Amino acid sequence: NAGVMQNPRHLVRRRGQEARLRCSPMKGHSHVYWYRQLPEEGLKFMVYLQKENIIDESGMPKERFSAEFPKEGPSILRIQQVVRGDSAAYFCASSPRRRSTTEAFFGQGTRLTVV
Amino acid sequence: AQSVTQLGSHVSVSEGALVLLRCNYSSSVPPYLFWYVQYPNQGLQLLLKYTSAATLVKGINGFEAEFKKSETSFHLTKPSAHMSDAAEYFCAVSDDWGGTASKLTFGTGTRLQVTL
Repeated sequence: NAGVMQNPRHLVRRRGQEARLRCSPMKGHSHVYWYRQLPEEGLKFMVYLQKENIIDESGMPKERFSAEFPKEGPSILRIQQVVRGDSAAYFCASSPRRRSTTEAFFGQGTRLTVV
Repeated sequence: AQSVTQLGSHVSVSEGALVLLRCNYSSSVPPYLFWYVQYPNQGLQLLLKYTSAATLVKGINGFEAEFKKSETSFHLTKPSAHMSDAAEYFCAVSDDWGGTASKLTFGTGTRLQVTL
């Protein structure tokens, strides 16, 4: 059973470009979470999605950031018009059930660098 | 709101020495608590979790943690450090009560260095 797959592992974008980060959850997992890790900081929750639904986006910046988890295909975190402050590691996690006693499995992350 | 405080951003121990990484939490409801390890350029791997069963929780790689409600703590320990334990360790608390399962609030992390 493959783990949570994120791609690309590294992404370089110029200021003003768009960044698209992909996350394929573990097989059988329908809950996806995105976290952002700024340099020298812990992970910060961004958004929680189930298939075709955004459940909790309380950690998402109000502008330029969006996320989706379509019925088919990976979850996508999209950042429009990137700025230097968006440079960070973005981690995706998935879990099979709603209850929080269930472990969330993390991907290896996408490291976004904005130049 | 929930929060986690990890005391000491860097901890250095000698190989074979006791490892103690501190974590204190704040939660208005009974918490679910987790310790994750992150190796360089890797994702997070679960070490152990507390889910209101036994207060002493054993995890992988010889780590364990004890939930102490009176001290609002969940410190991570290992009796004898190994070079391979060098990594970043994150304590996290989960909020299940608002319906947002597995939304984790992380501490800022403790980088463990193991020396010969």
